[in-house]
Amino acid sequence: DGGITQSPKYLFRKEGQNVTLSCEQNLNHDAMYWYRQDPGQGLRLIYYSQIVNDFQKGDIAEGYSVSREKKESFPLTVTSAQKNPTAFYLCASSSAGANTIYFGEGSWLTVV
Amino acid sequence: EDQVTQSPEALRLQEGESSSLNCSYTVSGLRGLFWYRQDPGKGPEFLFTLYSAGEEKEKERLKATLTKKESFLHITAPKPEDSATYLCAVRGGAQKLVFGQGTRLTINP
Repeated sequence: DGGITQSPKYLFRKEGQNVTLSCEQNLNHDAMYWYRQDPGQGLRLIYYSQIVNDFQKGDIAEGYSVSREKKESFPLTVTSAQKNPTAFYLCASSSAGANTIYFGEGSWLTVV
Repeated sequence: EDQVTQSPEALRLQEGESSSLNCSYTVSGLRGLFWYRQDPGKGPEFLFTLYSAGEEKEKERLKATLTKKESFLHITAPKPEDSATYLCAVRGGAQKLVFGQGTRLTINP
């Protein structure tokens, strides 16, 4: 089935550790995105990539890093520099030039 | 700056009781207004895209409408399985997608 797969679904991290969230899509979409969702707030854009080997910062990129080595994959690393990393992370993708984006099932990150 | 405000924050209805959710927006050069449904602990599911004032789209018990300042998501004779958070987002001339905070809808049987 075509879709966007995020893993792991739940992740616990100790303070001071980096953690990487995986996002894979088989929709042949060119653009991929990472959003963060916190209770009572709208989705906020962390990073996006419109083409392989290129990505741009979103509104809240500090403490995060990404790579786009393959069209299908857009992993997000939450570094120890992120002050408040506990949140629900959503990966999304869209076709080139398309307005509508489609989301994965999300990953819960908890810092313990 | 593009902005989206959704109201109410939460809405509780009885099964079969029709109502509407509101999404007010300010944007420079609307490139699309989007509605998503999000179940607890899941990613948002795409529902509709509207592009111009006067446009309407329907899916089962849901109908989305658009004016120059707001969009409504009308829910007709809702069922308990329609319970979810409904998200509205706009894309403006800067191509950035801006989301509202969502309306949490509960349908009681």
